[in-house]
Amino acid sequence: NAGVTQTPKFQVLKTGQSMTLQCAQDMNHNSMYWYRQDPGMGLRLIYYSASEGTTDKGEVPNGYNVSRLNKREFSLRLESAAPSQTSVYFCASRIGGTNEKLFFGSGTQLSVL
Amino acid sequence: GEDVEQSLFLSVREGDSSVINCTYTDSSSTYLYWYKQEPGAGLQLLTYIFSNMDMKQDQRLTVLLNKKDKHLSLRIADTQTGDSAIYFCAEMGGTGFQKLVFGTGTRLLVSP
Repeated sequence: NAGVTQTPKFQVLKTGQSMTLQCAQDMNHNSMYWYRQDPGMGLRLIYYSASEGTTDKGEVPNGYNVSRLNKREFSLRLESAAPSQTSVYFCASRIGGTNEKLFFGSGTQLSVL
Repeated sequence: GEDVEQSLFLSVREGDSSVINCTYTDSSSTYLYWYKQEPGAGLQLLTYIFSNMDMKQDQRLTVLLNKKDKHLSLRIADTQTGDSAIYFCAEMGGTGFQKLVFGTGTRLLVSP
């Protein structure tokens, strides 16, 4: 099983450019999440999707949009990238309900110049 | 909103016990978790505790929960150099209990 797959692994953008980070899981999980990780700040929740067709804001949603395209895929879009969005982005999924285990992708290192 | 806090660094000698602490604010949290992140990798779940429990032991790991003080700790017995990593606590809350919020992470350094 591939688990949680994120693409791309690395990306460099110029300020103002747009891009979409892709995430897909093959475990038939209901819930999917996008986090960003910055030094000394831990992981901060950007958006999450408790089930197909629903999305909710996390702690730091400004500057981002998400789409839960289907049960497998949850994408994160930066419409106009800013240097403050330089970070490592992690997608994660879990089956939902009372199941506690969160599976993480390997991360996307994004630099905005 | 939810807030989860941890100290940033902990340094111990190999063979000693490590205790990593965490405080949280959401009294409606159902599950509390400990994750480990090694360099260049994603997070892996170490252990978790349900909010109606006080303690959970899993081999070298002991989780203690003080619900009154909203304080969670992770004790690693006989700490090894391979335990060097960043440790995150996290709480599950939010509508329908689907929202997982992480702490800032504690970098554990184990010296020989």
